[in-house]
This record gives sequence, C-alpha cells and structure tokens, in this order.
Amino acid sequence: EVQLVESGGGLVQPGGSLRLSCAASGFTFTSYAMNWVRQAPGKGLEWVSTISGSGAGKYYADAVKGRFTISRDNSNNTLYLQMNSLRAEDTALYYCAKNYFGASFMDVWGKGTTVTVSS
Amino acid sequence: DIQMTQSPSTLSASVGDRVIITCRASQSVSSWLAWYQQKPGKAPKLLIYKASSLEGGVPSRFSGSGSGTEITLTISSLQPDDFATYYCQQYNSYPLTFGGGTKVEIK
Repeated sequence: EVQLVESGGGLVQPGGSLRLSCAASGFTFTSYAMNWVRQAPGKGLEWVSTISGSGAGKYYADAVKGRFTISRDNSNNTLYLQMNSLRAEDTALYYCAKNYFGASFMDVWGKGTTVTVSS
Repeated sequence: DIQMTQSPSTLSASVGDRVIITCRASQSVSSWLAWYQQKPGKAPKLLIYKASSLEGGVPSRFSGSGSGTEITLTISSLQPDDFATYYCQQYNSYPLTFGGGTKVEIK
C-alpha cells in the first residue's frame, strides 16, 4: 500500500525554524517527484514546493522562496521541508503529496502535519 | 503565474441533482488540469486528471470536460458521499496553482 506519513510540525515563534519530514512507503520513491502543499485554517490548498525524483529539480512558491528548502533522501525514502524565518502566515496543515508518474498533479497524499507560528 | 478561479464558491444541492463546477484559468492550461475532493479533516483525494481522465476507483458519476481556459467538473447524480469541497489544480506550468474551492452543501 502506498503511504505517506508526515511529521515534524509544531508550535514555533515568528522568525524560528522547523523541519518537516515525510516517510514514504509502498512505491519506488526515487521514481517520483514529490510535493509539499499547505492549507491554512479554514482556507484552500496552496502549493508550496516540488522536488524531482533525483532531487536535482526544485520549484518553490514565491511566498516561501528563499525561506524554505525542499530536499529528499532517496536511500531512506524520506522527503523534507526545511522552513526558516517562519511567519504567522505560514501557519497551516502541511501535506506531503506524491506526483503521478511523469506529471505534476498529486495522486497520493499524506494526512498532514500542523505548523503553528505564534508568539 | 496562472490564476485559477472556481465557480461557484458554494453550491447547495440535493441528492440526485446534476452538479457542475467550473474552473477558469487566467491563461490556457490546455488539458493539464486535475480535480480533487476534500472532506472535512481529511486529505484531498484525486478525482480527475488531464481534464477528463477518471482516476481509478472514482465513481463514473464524476466527469470532467473542457480545455484551454474553461474546464468543468460534473457530478451526474449527487450522492450523500459527494458533499465535500472540490478543488481544481493546473499543472501546465510552475508555480502550480489551485482554485479557491467549491463547497457542495446539502440543500
């Protein structure tokens, strides 16, 4: 069974840092691009970042460019999101999502991990 | 960036109704569009990709049509399990963008 399990969320002060992880199983991890998508409380979905299967290609939303870094460890089937200089507007449920093979839409989603930025 | 606008933002319907949700793009996305369903407290679920291709396991009452700047999601006969929020997402180009969502409520 294909599964994505996020972890690493929590409460952090403005300006702080947090690293999210996503453990993947049930598929050949290195063959698929992976994404982070977030959802602020009561709001819609917002794409955050995508990384290619090899890790060489990375894309970011303007709202997080320069502050967030996506990475992956293909030997351990794990996706990461390093979040620095956090702001109140980064408060959201962060989903890890697997791309459909060869395309940039998401066919498998994790349950999400909550990030709250507040003093 | 391609902006995606969904309409309506909220829709009240009854079981058995035909429901149509529209997604308009600020520029052509060709057929590179996906639809997701999200229920409260749950992760989104892929319904349709490439504008009209049904994801495996998704009931055939869901269908998608259109291309370019206007793409629609149709539920032919609304079922109790379909009350949820629906999002479109373009994957024609980065940054990937979602529509604002359409909440389908019970009338």
